[in-house]
Amino acid sequence: DAGITQSPRHKVTETGTPVTLRCHQTENHRYMYWYRQDPGHGLRLIHYSYGVKDTDKGEVSDGYSVSRSKTEDFLLTLESATSSQTSVYFCAIRELRDTGELFFGEGSRLTVL
Amino acid sequence: RKEVEQDPGPFNVPEGATVAFNCTYSNSASQSFFWYRQDCRKEPKLLMSVYSSGNEDGRFTAQLNRASQYISLLIRDSKLSDSATYLCVVTYNTDKLIFGTGTRLQVFP
Repeated sequence: DAGITQSPRHKVTETGTPVTLRCHQTENHRYMYWYRQDPGHGLRLIHYSYGVKDTDKGEVSDGYSVSRSKTEDFLLTLESATSSQTSVYFCAIRELRDTGELFFGEGSRLTVL
Repeated sequence: RKEVEQDPGPFNVPEGATVAFNCTYSNSASQSFFWYRQDCRKEPKLLMSVYSSGNEDGRFTAQLNRASQYISLLIRDSKLSDSATYLCVVTYNTDKLIFGTGTRLQVFP
């Protein structure tokens, strides 16, 4: 299995509080992604990174920011959590631009009350 | 219209049955195609890539129809362990992978 871990795995928080999810990889892969998964919507891309300090927005980036100061870590921040951000968040890594194989972390289940 | 569309199912089939899923995509510039499998409350994992000429991996066959903009997955001799959600994935800018919402398969004894 690819060396990718997410933390925390479960979190319950209140509306308006900041939340940071961490994705850590030991594979030295260039590409890292944050997806959210909701019933009826499937996996939707929030942000992705193609290198240290190189990030770009996905289709549902509003309300989220990311940072990648080291190859191995990709942080997803909700500056002020809302109930609509209750979801399962998956981090994924990819070695090469031309390969479709994403390796996913186990997911972080976030509940915003 | 969603970029990638799948029938959500569920498809309920008996063991040993053959079942097929389709996935349509809207962007004709799409470059690469894949099927992922996701078990309940688990992360998705790559099942197989889909090549223009079609490809087979054991009981699984994937096909691509660029003219009609769809890909398919055929599972023969279904096993109980095939029960999962199957996600169609398309890329048109190889930095991004776009996922369908998934088709749920339930194989019963």
